[in-house]
Amino acid sequence: GAVVSQHPSRVICKSGTSVKIECRSLDFQATTMFWYRQFPKKSLMLMATSNEGSKATYEQGVEKDKFLINHASLTLSTLTVTSAHPEDSSFYICSARGRGNFGEAFFGQGTRLTVV
Amino acid sequence: SQQGEEDPQALSIQEGENATMNCSYKTSINNLQWYRQNSGRGLVHLILIRSNEREKHSGRLRVTLDTSKKSSSLLITASRAADTASYFCATDAGGGGNKLTFGTGTQLKVEL
Repeated sequence: GAVVSQHPSRVICKSGTSVKIECRSLDFQATTMFWYRQFPKKSLMLMATSNEGSKATYEQGVEKDKFLINHASLTLSTLTVTSAHPEDSSFYICSARGRGNFGEAFFGQGTRLTVV
Repeated sequence: SQQGEEDPQALSIQEGENATMNCSYKTSINNLQWYRQNSGRGLVHLILIRSNEREKHSGRLRVTLDTSKKSSSLLITASRAADTASYFCATDAGGGGNKLTFGTGTQLKVEL
């Protein structure tokens, strides 16, 4: 299957700082990327959908000014957690789908964010 | 809100036994997919079943779909310790956005 690389896998940051997480599709063009948040032993909560070259669509209850998403190219989307707070500590996962691909989604390895 | 509810939430079996997980959903779907997640890792796609299909096989996996009951099941036969993971169903309602909505997941533990 297609490969999606997410970086970093783990990050620890101080409260008030910003953290950027990258999601890259390595061998296909990802027209749509999705960002999820997952709490321990819980399901994935969709945060936003990003389409290349356009603004992300955020799910209800997700602060777009806090979780900045940029999908500048067909192979890269970034999630920036701004003014990080300990309650932002979580596991963040991206997934990607290619053009015309209405089947499976390909997931990154996830990023464990800890805000201290 | 979560589209899918899975049961059981946790399942512990012995190696060699079969494991069955169920998923129920609420709205019409284009297809339903099952994913596996090892602890602290991303998700791996296992199998996709379309709304006009009733059963699908892939290796030791068997998936059924009953659109009248809005439910699906995943059967793993002859389980192995390496099958220990969390399993999620995800529904694709089609239309714009290509969003997947994930179920609550089943944590499977296969003991030697």
